[in-house]
Amino acid sequence: AQSVTQLDSHVSVSEGTPVLLRCNYSSSYSPSLFWYVQHPNKGLQLLLKYTSAATLVKGINGFEAEFKKSETSFHLTKPSAHMSDAAEYFCVVSLSGNTPLVFGKGTRLSVIA
Amino acid sequence: NAGVTQTPKFQVLKTGQSMTLQCAQDMNHEYMSWYRQDPGMGLRLIHYSVGAGITDQGEVPNGYNVSRSTTEDFPLRLLSAAPSQTSVYFCASKGTGKGAGAGTGELFFGEGSRLTVL
Repeated sequence: AQSVTQLDSHVSVSEGTPVLLRCNYSSSYSPSLFWYVQHPNKGLQLLLKYTSAATLVKGINGFEAEFKKSETSFHLTKPSAHMSDAAEYFCVVSLSGNTPLVFGKGTRLSVIA
Repeated sequence: NAGVTQTPKFQVLKTGQSMTLQCAQDMNHEYMSWYRQDPGMGLRLIHYSVGAGITDQGEVPNGYNVSRSTTEDFPLRLLSAAPSQTSVYFCASKGTGKGAGAGTGELFFGEGSRLTVL
């Protein structure tokens, strides 16, 4: 079975400082991994995805994530937080095309001016 | 190309009423799904479908029905609404293989439907 654990339910950073949102996964096979972002009262938008190509994945808005198989991790980072980054972030794992994606419970990112 | 379209965006029901949340996608995706989102619970899968005529239960299927008569549409039915079904509902689709509608596995989401059951 596959599962996703987002290690922090809430992260607070100051504007201009680095962002780190942590995600660990459990999967018997090589998974695809995704990060989604949800701004208040909005739908979910894909930030980036890992599908067994390069282990360092670059996404939109300056975010990136590194797939580390030995650590079963897929942490999301950004060098410098903006106020507009305040949102809920979801780490997601998928095994194959016909199986449901499994969502973590989300990490709420607050950015302090 | 509209993507995934959900209607209605807002709905208020009384306990015991029935209703259908509509979901349509124009990307020829084989896989469609419904999630509910509640504070602190993340997104929980209600039902999903891997093609027309095929549906399966997710994590929280009780109280909900689905059908998939066409590739494009995947309606979610509440037969007898309960206050515990107050939530935000999201429909999402993805391509599952090669050919038309294929993708790299990411879900495309609708904008959500906010349901309140009194």
